[in-house]
Amino acid sequence: QQQVKQSPQSLIVQKGGISIINCAYENTAFDYFPWYQQFPGKGPALLIAIRPDVSEKKEGRFTISFNKSAKQFSLHIMDSQPGDSATYFCAASTGGTYKYIFGTGTRLKVLA
Amino acid sequence: DAGVIQSPRHEVTEMGQEVTLRCKPISGHDYLFWYRQTMMRGLELLIYFNNNVPIDDSGMPEDRFSAKMPNASFSTLKIQPSEPRDSAVYFCASRAAGGNTEAFFGQGTRLTVV
Repeated sequence: QQQVKQSPQSLIVQKGGISIINCAYENTAFDYFPWYQQFPGKGPALLIAIRPDVSEKKEGRFTISFNKSAKQFSLHIMDSQPGDSATYFCAASTGGTYKYIFGTGTRLKVLA
Repeated sequence: DAGVIQSPRHEVTEMGQEVTLRCKPISGHDYLFWYRQTMMRGLELLIYFNNNVPIDDSGMPEDRFSAKMPNASFSTLKIQPSEPRDSAVYFCASRAAGGNTEAFFGQGTRLTVV
């Protein structure tokens, strides 16, 4: 119940294309869903986050789509750029515990 | 603020030796987390503290692992004795209290046990 399942494990996209990463969860007590971006040799950094009371959140080229009934959420990267090449982690947490449960990560490579 | 600071950045040690990883959280953050990252298992939460008190250590793999937070500005993760399967990148992160706040991660410590 504490797991967050993430797919795909790796993704290769052409420059200008759309990158889509999916996550699913079981615990309905989760109330905060951040996405973290990690470059090689660095720690993960917050990219964008959503709460379950909205179905979509957009920040620049990054959009989270959230489907509460299906217990799924996804990250869309529009007009993907080589600089977006990184590992992306979805996560979930409850306000009461403050701890994040992370997905297993998706290694994205955007070809120039 | 300089962010979450971890040391050392890299550690190579022989099997059986004691290893101590260090973390300085962001000033004012009430929550501190230790994560382990491997290719196979991704980011695993090992333990987290609230106001220097351990809240959940259910992710600590075995008794060889221990963590302390003697004050608000310092935490250690110790492995004794270390084993090759402990080789991973260990991250420390901190968060402020007050709802769904961002967790800030350090640069990590890459541990290699030979």
